[in-house]
Amino acid sequence: SQTIHQWPATLVQPVGSPLSLECTVEGTSNPNLYWYRQAAGRGLQLLFYSVGIGQISSEVPQNLSASRPQDRQFILSSKKLLLSDSGFYLCAWSGTTSGPQHFGDGTRLSIL
Amino acid sequence: SQQGEEDPQALSIQEGENATMNCSYKTSINNLQWYRQNSGRGLVHLILIRSNEREKHSGRLRVTLDTSKKSSSLLITASRAADTASYFCATLKYTGNQFYFGTGTSLTVIP
Repeated sequence: SQTIHQWPATLVQPVGSPLSLECTVEGTSNPNLYWYRQAAGRGLQLLFYSVGIGQISSEVPQNLSASRPQDRQFILSSKKLLLSDSGFYLCAWSGTTSGPQHFGDGTRLSIL
Repeated sequence: SQQGEEDPQALSIQEGENATMNCSYKTSINNLQWYRQNSGRGLVHLILIRSNEREKHSGRLRVTLDTSKKSSSLLITASRAADTASYFCATLKYTGNQFYFGTGTSLTVIP
């Protein structure tokens, strides 16, 4: 069966520090991969999605970047975190662009 | 924007009652999906309804879709305390390949 791993679960970082969040999927090949951010009590904002290795689409201009170095690995990065980067970050995968998305358990990021 | 909007924002019911949540969206869609999120966790896919379908059932869940009104509803019958969660609709644009999630309905089922 397919599983998605996302870590760390919680992260506290100072303003201006770098960020790297990792997501990996097991049990499937060539998944579509997604990074979302969820502000407290709000819906999900799509940040990046990828349909293949090295193919990254960005939905909103921001302080973040994404990379897909391997088929089932998706990384969210920042060189310098801002206070506004705080939130709940969720990684997801889908088998097709129109099919159900399967989410990891998220990373709670707090910026001090 | 394409983003869906759920209504109500919050709903509190007694165990055993039915819960109805609504979702409205703005543009033509390929399909609409409903997800559930327990506090502090990732989202779990519940049900997918295609643009050419009007109603779909899955266990205690019933989803309707009215493309003329650009709206959908999720009905949870005979609710249980374990149904307490936030529920989100997500729409896939007809010509797009990414989903847009609504702001969610927070459901509380009181035992």
